[in-house]
Amino acid sequence: EVQLVESGGGVVQPGGSLRLSCAASGFTFDDYAMHWVRQAPGKGLEWVSLISGDGGSTYYADSVKGRFTISRDNSKNSLYLQMNSLRTEDTALYYCAKDFEMAMGGWGQGTLVTVSS
Amino acid sequence: DIVMTQTPLSLSVTPGQPASISCKSSQSLLHSDGKTYLYWYLQKPGQPPQLLIYEVSNRFSGVPDRFSGSGSGTDFTLKISRVEAEDVGVYYCMQSIQLPYTFGQGTKLEIK
Repeated sequence: EVQLVESGGGVVQPGGSLRLSCAASGFTFDDYAMHWVRQAPGKGLEWVSLISGDGGSTYYADSVKGRFTISRDNSKNSLYLQMNSLRTEDTALYYCAKDFEMAMGGWGQGTLVTVSS
Repeated sequence: DIVMTQTPLSLSVTPGQPASISCKSSQSLLHSDGKTYLYWYLQKPGQPPQLLIYEVSNRFSGVPDRFSGSGSGTDFTLKISRVEAEDVGVYYCMQSIQLPYTFGQGTKLEIK
């Protein structure tokens, strides 16, 4: 059974940084690309970033490009999202998700990031 | 970016009755590889989204056969043949033919 557990969320001031983690189990981690998707309170879903199985290719939404960095450690079955220069509009529940046929086939429960002064 | 537009934004359905949600994309989702990269998700209250349908019409593992997807090009439909109480939540379509992946606004399904 696929399990994805996010951590690292919290309250941070505008301009601050956070590093999110996602611990994966139940599948061969390095066989799959991984995504981060976020959902602002009471709003819809926004795709944030994608990383290939070997970590060699990364992609970002324009809204986070240059501020967020996705990475993975396949030896630890872990996915990360380094978030710098945070803005109030980055406040959201951040989900990590396992790729399935160019979509998100399994999701974690999410970790909440609140950017506020 | 490809814009995904869902209608209606909300619907209220009596259990046992059918329901239908439309999703239109601003560009064709048909890839040169022959696949159409259109997906449907359901987000139940308080839960993360779950994949229902991939590539227009394929049900994901464990998805009941009362859910079906259809369409082509830029026009797609999710149908629930007989709505059950457990189907409440917000339904999203999503495209992945082009980065960034984009979602529709969501359609909230309630039970009458």
